[in-house]
Amino acid sequence: KNQVEQSPQSLIILEGKNCTLQCNYTVSPFSNLRWYKQDTGRGPVSLTIMTFSENTKSNGRYTATLDADTKQSSLHITASQLSDSASYICVVSESTNAGKSTFGDGTTLTVKP
Amino acid sequence: DTAVSQTPKYLVTQMGNDKSIKCEQNLGHDTMYWYKQDSKKFLKIMFSYNNKELIINETVPNRFSPKSPDKAHLNLHINSLELGDSAVYFCASSPGRGHTYNEQFFGPGTRLTVL
Repeated sequence: KNQVEQSPQSLIILEGKNCTLQCNYTVSPFSNLRWYKQDTGRGPVSLTIMTFSENTKSNGRYTATLDADTKQSSLHITASQLSDSASYICVVSESTNAGKSTFGDGTTLTVKP
Repeated sequence: DTAVSQTPKYLVTQMGNDKSIKCEQNLGHDTMYWYKQDSKKFLKIMFSYNNKELIINETVPNRFSPKSPDKAHLNLHINSLELGDSAVYFCASSPGRGHTYNEQFFGPGTRLTVL
C-alpha cells in the first residue's frame, strides 16, 4: 500500500530559527513529490514540485530536497517568520493509476516570537 | 478574480438532509477534484474529474455524488447527511489529466457541520 509519512507531527520554533520537516514515502511508481502549505482556515497552497530527476528546489526561504533512491524528502525553512506558522503537507503522485496522489498527514509548525 | 471558488463557505444542517456544495474555477484547467479534510486535518481525495469525465473515485459512500456540468464546474451533492460527514471539503483544479506533474490550486474550503 502506498504511504506517505511525515515527521515530526508538530514543531514549535522561535522566530528567526531554521527548521527541517521530513517526508518518507513508499509510493511507486513515482511521478512527483509536492510540498503544500496550509494556513489555518485556508486551502493548501503549493510550495514546490519535484520529479525523479530533481534533487532540490527552492521557493524563497523554502528549500525542498528529494532522494528518490531512499524515497525521502525534506522541506527546509530558513529564517522563520511568524507567517510560516501553518501545516505543511507532503504529497506524492504515481506515474500510473491516473496519477493518483497520496497525502501525508502534515506537520504543524508554530513559529513563536 | 478568484481562481477556485466554493459556495457556501459554511454549511450547518441537520442529519438526514440533502445538501450541495458548488465549485467553480476560472483557470481554464481540465481537471477538478474534491477533497475531505477531517477534524485531524488529514486531507483525503474523494473524486477527480477530467473534462467532465470521472477519473478517480475513492471509496466514498454512494451518498456522495459529484456532478460536472462543464469542465469549469464540479459540484458535490450529499444525500442523507450523517454526523461523520462533518468536515471541511476542498475543491481543487489542475491543468492536464489526473495528478500528473501539475500544480493543484485549492479553493477556500466549505466547512460542513451536521447536527
